[in-house]
Amino acid sequence: DIQMTQSPSSLSASVGDRVTITCRARQGISNYLAWYQHKPGKVPKLLIYAASTLQSGVPSRFSGSGSGTDFTLTISSLQPEDVATYYCQKYNSAPWTFGQGTKVEIK
Amino acid sequence: QVQLVQTGSELKKPGASVKVSCKASGYTFTDYALNWVRQAPGQGLEWMGWINTNTGNPTYAPGFTGRFVFSLDTSVSTAYLQISSLKTEDTAVYYCARGGGWLDPWGQGTLVTVSS
Repeated sequence: DIQMTQSPSSLSASVGDRVTITCRARQGISNYLAWYQHKPGKVPKLLIYAASTLQSGVPSRFSGSGSGTDFTLTISSLQPEDVATYYCQKYNSAPWTFGQGTKVEIK
Repeated sequence: QVQLVQTGSELKKPGASVKVSCKASGYTFTDYALNWVRQAPGQGLEWMGWINTNTGNPTYAPGFTGRFVFSLDTSVSTAYLQISSLKTEDTAVYYCARGGGWLDPWGQGTLVTVSS
């Protein structure tokens, strides 16, 4: 099974900061990667699929990049409502493993 | 709109069984796979597996074989997750989610609490 490793596991940044979260696969997964935002007590929300395609309705400050084994989720200007845990998920082949999550807080 | 609505919270004793339902609306049920995802207290998201809504064929992730069963009733656009021989470590929120790759949308989640 391909493990997905996210870093960092948590971060604290100021409003307006650029935030970057990375996700690494042990083996190449092409662009079969999605990113989710999960706020406490809420349902996980799809942000990005196919590594870089923004889901409809998601603010443009979110972007994704990467292919193969290394991927990045970027929040260009952190907003208070972005406080959440972010997960990557690979879906090239079963099992569709999630990363362990990155908790984002406001400094 | 596309929606997945799940069963309400369940409280079960160790050794019992539970069946969680996930009713789809707003789209053709058999056009998309249905996935199950677990989140134990304080833990991350775990993909449990998925079921082909055309054939009923399930695929289980490692660690979710044996006591976990995915099933369907296509006549009412509903998927089910049954867990047997419940253990305290099965306490978690269980989500259903539509998709054959990326997952969207998600059900609201069902909290299953296993306690004596």
